[in-house]
Amino acid sequence: EVQLVESGGGLVQPGGSLRLSCEASGFAFSSYDMNWVRQAPGKGLEWISHISSTGTPMYYTDSVKGRFTISRDNAKNSLFLQMNSLRAEDTAVYYCARARFRTTIVTPFDSWGQGTLVSVSS
Amino acid sequence: EIVLTQSPATLSVSPGEGATLSCRANKSINNNLAWYQQKPGQAPRLLIYGASTRATGIPARFSGSGSGTDFTLTITSLQSEDFAVYFCQQYNNWPPWTFGQGTKVEIK
Repeated sequence: EVQLVESGGGLVQPGGSLRLSCEASGFAFSSYDMNWVRQAPGKGLEWISHISSTGTPMYYTDSVKGRFTISRDNAKNSLFLQMNSLRAEDTAVYYCARARFRTTIVTPFDSWGQGTLVSVSS
Repeated sequence: EIVLTQSPATLSVSPGEGATLSCRANKSINNNLAWYQQKPGQAPRLLIYGASTRATGIPARFSGSGSGTDFTLTITSLQSEDFAVYFCQQYNNWPPWTFGQGTKVEIK
């Protein structure tokens, strides 16, 4: 069974940093592209970052470019999101999500973690 | 950036009735559209991809159609567990992968 478990969320002050982790199990993690998607309280879904199975390339939504960094450790079946210079508008539940298809980037997301809440407030 | 517009924002339906949800893209995305279901406090669940292919384990009462810019998710004979928020997502033009704003299907 595919499992994705996020951790690392919490309360942080504006301008602060957090590192989110997503531990994968039940599938060949190193063969799949991965994504981070967030959802602000009561709002819709927003894709924020993508990383290929090998670690490059990576993509980011404009609002987090230069502040967030996605990475992965295939030996440890783990995905990461380093978040710096956090703002109030970054407050959201952050999900890691697996790409459905292994052989193309033209793919939806077929497995999601339960999410981890990041709250940015003074 | 591809913008997806879902309608209606809220759909009130009685159990056992059908529901039709719409998703429109601001330019052609071929058939690279997915639908997700999200219940309160839960992660999204993939229902449909390729506009019309049901994901593993999804009941046949869920069906998707459309191509290009106009897409539809149809749920026949709604069950209690189907009351949720539904999002469409395009994965044809990236980055960014984009989602619609969601349609809430509520009990009438």
